[in-house]
Amino acid sequence: EPEVTQTPSHQVTQMGQEVILRCVPISNHLYFYWYRQILGQKVEFLVSFYNNEISEKSEIFDDQFSVERPDGSNFTLKIRSTKLEDSAMYFCASSVVVTGEAFFGQGTRLTVV
Amino acid sequence: KNEVEQSPQNLTAQEGEFITINCSYSVGISALHWLQQHPGGGIVSLFMLSSGKKKHGRLIATINIQEKHSSLHITASHPRDSAVYICAVRYNTDKLIFGTGTRLQVFP
Repeated sequence: EPEVTQTPSHQVTQMGQEVILRCVPISNHLYFYWYRQILGQKVEFLVSFYNNEISEKSEIFDDQFSVERPDGSNFTLKIRSTKLEDSAMYFCASSVVVTGEAFFGQGTRLTVV
Repeated sequence: KNEVEQSPQNLTAQEGEFITINCSYSVGISALHWLQQHPGGGIVSLFMLSSGKKKHGRLIATINIQEKHSSLHITASHPRDSAVYICAVRYNTDKLIFGTGTRLQVFP
């Protein structure tokens, strides 16, 4: 069964460093998303991406964050200068259409020290 | 304000019991999702509903649009059903708005 894959599963980084979280969405999907979940809290929307551009973003998704689809398969989330409060589980998701079922990856646990 | 509320927050059951988890939302939605999150953190989509009822194996999801309410039922619960069950809704935007989840533990 097709699945969304994320790498790495766990990343530890020092405050102020740049990190790139990687995702390979399901191949025929057109909409891509990043969500995050701070430990003990609910999942929050960060950004959606369609047709090579951001279609919606949340207040959390400030200038420190960027997304890119550098080739036909990968979808990345970059955090330019990490802060302690960026520590969270980051989930990538994809769907065929925006109103369709979203399929989630297993998540990347980011720890900023 | 677009919010999603789930109840109960925590639920324990004996194997074989019938489980119900509830979700309420505040305004009209385009779709409601039920998701399962295992201890390792991964999220699995169970159902997407905009009306009526769906069934998959021992899982049943219903939605009442007028009442702004959905339920997830698990029949003949099993310890492997232990997980966090999350309700998420989509309004007329791209994003899903998540509830806080219901932690279910099923004991043998």
